[in-house]
Amino acid sequence: GNSVTQMEGPVTLSEEAFLTINCTYTATGYPSLFWYVQYPGEGLQLLLKATKADDKGSNKGFEATYRKETTSFHLEKGSVQVSDSAVYFCALLSNTGNQFYFGTGTSLTVIP
Amino acid sequence: DVKVTQSSRYLVKRTGEKVFLECVQDMDHENMFWYRQDPGLGLRLIYFSYDVKMKEKGDIPEGYSVSREKKERFSLILESASTNQTSMYLCASSSRTRASEQFFGPGTRLTVL
Repeated sequence: GNSVTQMEGPVTLSEEAFLTINCTYTATGYPSLFWYVQYPGEGLQLLLKATKADDKGSNKGFEATYRKETTSFHLEKGSVQVSDSAVYFCALLSNTGNQFYFGTGTSLTVIP
Repeated sequence: DVKVTQSSRYLVKRTGEKVFLECVQDMDHENMFWYRQDPGLGLRLIYFSYDVKMKEKGDIPEGYSVSREKKERFSLILESASTNQTSMYLCASSSRTRASEQFFGPGTRLTVL
């Protein structure tokens, strides 16, 4: 079956620190992979995505590389800002294109 | 801009009440989804719909039903609310040709007393 496992939170970092949030997946076939972000009081927004192995998704300084050999899609940012404080969800879209599977979410707090 | 709106941001109901959560999207999307979001469990799919009058069960449909009478509107119904249905409910939509891009509403936080 399909599932996503992401690192437990919460994560607290100082401004300008390096961020990694780990995400691994289990899927049949070749899914597409996503990171969504949820700011306080809002719905989820797409942050970045990758549709095939070795693709790198990037947006707003965040990056993630689709690693088929390790079934991973870790989110990274070189220098976080206070405005990056949010909950981050890793997700996969099944190869039938019908259903998303989400991880449990990782809460990030960036302190000045 | 795609907009997905949900009828209420906060809702408080009593056990046994019938509860309607409404979702409307303005981009003519074929696909619509209802999730619930709980701490430590992430998002879990309740029901989805690919077209008017069509519905499919997700991972946790028990205790819920849905209605899609118009393309832009997807309703989630709790026939008899229970305390374990206290949660954040998120609606999402996507087009058939770009199913990988789901757009989410702001969520409805439902408390069942």
